[in-house]
Amino acid sequence: NAGVTQTPKFRVLKTGQSMTLLCAQDMNHEYMYWYRQDPGMGLRLIHYSVGEGTTAKGEVPDGYNVSRLKKQNFLLGLESAAPSQTSVYFCASSYLSGYSPPYEQYFGPGTRLTVT
Amino acid sequence: QQQVKQSPQSLIVQKGGISIINCAYENTAFDYFPWYQQFPGKGPALLIAIRPDVSEKKEGRFTISFNKSAKQFSLHIMDSQPGDSATYFCAASISNGNEKLTFGTGTRLTIIP
Repeated sequence: NAGVTQTPKFRVLKTGQSMTLLCAQDMNHEYMYWYRQDPGMGLRLIHYSVGEGTTAKGEVPDGYNVSRLKKQNFLLGLESAAPSQTSVYFCASSYLSGYSPPYEQYFGPGTRLTVT
Repeated sequence: QQQVKQSPQSLIVQKGGISIINCAYENTAFDYFPWYQQFPGKGPALLIAIRPDVSEKKEGRFTISFNKSAKQFSLHIMDSQPGDSATYFCAASISNGNEKLTFGTGTRLTIIP
């Protein structure tokens, strides 16, 4: 099993450009999440999904959109990139509660995005 | 509004010593408290977790101590090793069906020989 994979690993954008980050998991997990990690701020939840076709806003959703058309994929879009979106983005997935161990989130390796 | 406060921001411990990282939370509805470990260039990975019905959980050299009345929990790493050098995040969540985690700001731990 590959676990959680993220594409691309690195990207440099210019202000105003758009891009899509792809997250894929092969563990048949129901839940998927997108976080951003910034120095001194920990991991902050951008958007999440509790199942195919459903998405919801997290703590810092502004400037991002997501889609979960297939259970195994969760896409994060930046429509018009801004320097404030320079960050490391992590995708994670987890089972429905009730599995053992509950609530464990499995993280991908991250995407380092720089917006100039 | 930061719901989970973590300290210290960085920590240097000698090999063989005890590393202690502290977290405090505000929302009394939180009912699951995991710690995640992150090595440079990697995603975080679950290290150990606790529920508020117990005051301590131990797994090998790693122990979580939980104080429900004070709304605090801490990670203790006994006999710290250079391989423990990493960033540690505490987190908290509510059992409400979406499994969202609220993370602390992280502690960069360095174990020196």
